[in-house]
Amino acid sequence: QVQLVQSGAVVKKPGASLNISCKTSGYSFSAYYLHWVRQAPGQGLEWMGIINPSGGKTTYAQKFQGRVTVTTDASTRTVFLELSSLRFEDAAVYYCARNSGFDLSFDFWGRGTLVTVSS
Amino acid sequence: SYELTQPPSVSVSPGQTARITCSANTLPKEHVFWYQQKPGQAPVLILYKDSERPSGIPGRFSGSSSGTTDTLTIRGVQAEDEADYYCQSAVSSSTYWVFGGGTKLTVL
Repeated sequence: QVQLVQSGAVVKKPGASLNISCKTSGYSFSAYYLHWVRQAPGQGLEWMGIINPSGGKTTYAQKFQGRVTVTTDASTRTVFLELSSLRFEDAAVYYCARNSGFDLSFDFWGRGTLVTVSS
Repeated sequence: SYELTQPPSVSVSPGQTARITCSANTLPKEHVFWYQQKPGQAPVLILYKDSERPSGIPGRFSGSSSGTTDTLTIRGVQAEDEADYYCQSAVSSSTYWVFGGGTKLTVL
């Protein structure tokens, strides 16, 4: 079965960089795009970016341009999110999600990684 | 930019019908997808391409689209349907994805 297993909760200081991961299994890794979506406490879902594991092409939400980098490691079937220059408002649950093979929806999600930003 | 607007909250009694709207700010409207999110859990896809249900999603969930507005309808609402619901779309030509602000469904 399809699984997206995310790395554990982290605490970061303002100005630091965030690095979290999402290990996938149960499907052909190169065949499905992967996204990162975040959700601040009590707030809605916010799309951050997408990567094509076949070739590594990425597209990021304009809001995060210059601060975000999404990469993959095909050998471990893992997608990574790096977010630099963290601010207090970056505190959120970060989700990885697989893009459906048929349309532009998110058909499988990880359980989320809680990121706390505290001085 | 392409934006989706949802009402912040909808309340309904058990057994009644809940309707949650999602309005786009421009035409042509892209396909809309709907997610259910319960507290502490990841979202779950409940409708794709405006009105199609993935396997395992109960038939009481349905969707419709007219003009710039999509509607998620939940017939015979049950207590377990209390959750946040998000609509989502994507502008494939510009390659970005967007969510509505979410609607909290309360079952009275």
